[in-house]
Amino acid sequence: GQQVMQIPQYQHVQEGEDFTTYCNSSTTLSNIQWYKQRPGGHPVFLIQLVKSGEVKKQKRLTFQFGEAKKNSSLHITATQTTDVGTYFCAGTGSNYKLTFGKGTLLTVNP
Amino acid sequence: GAVVSQHPSRVICKSGTSVKIECRSLDFQATTMFWYRQFPKQSLMLMATSNEGSKATYEQGVEKDKFLINHASLTLSTLTVTSAHPEDSSFYICSASLGPGQYFGPGTRLTVT
Repeated sequence: GQQVMQIPQYQHVQEGEDFTTYCNSSTTLSNIQWYKQRPGGHPVFLIQLVKSGEVKKQKRLTFQFGEAKKNSSLHITATQTTDVGTYFCAGTGSNYKLTFGKGTLLTVNP
Repeated sequence: GAVVSQHPSRVICKSGTSVKIECRSLDFQATTMFWYRQFPKQSLMLMATSNEGSKATYEQGVEKDKFLINHASLTLSTLTVTSAHPEDSSFYICSASLGPGQYFGPGTRLTVT
């Protein structure tokens, strides 16, 4: 079945440093979505990427979708303590189901 | 944005009893809702897809007779954990689609003693 792998599992940074999490699918995706889950909270939808090679930005967050539509990344520039949480990628495959990666837990040292 | 509510937020029950969890889309109609289970510090595992007016579609390995899903209206889906056991203790989250992305409820923390 479809698998979505995400690395790293954990990332600890100093406030102001950059952060990147990577997502890789075993199959070609029709789209990829990113979610953020704060500690004790529920996942919140951030963005969806659909096109091959697509790049989208939300303030300090940059999302990329690979040319082959099998990988994606989320980059945060100059992290802040409010960025703390687990970032999940989730891919939609040919079966139209959303498969979540295991997430990257980001902690930020002020 | 779209709002999905879930009730209860926390429930503690004794082994062998059944627990019902409600998921509501508050400001939109959802023909399809999804039920996930999340273990501590782990990812979301899709349990089933709930379709309004028809039977739910369960993922492989999920017992449909144990996790009963009813989607009787366009704004309400329920998940009933029947004859709960301690291994059913988990965080259960529902979601609904509205355009791109899924909107998640706040989740229900189930503890079976």
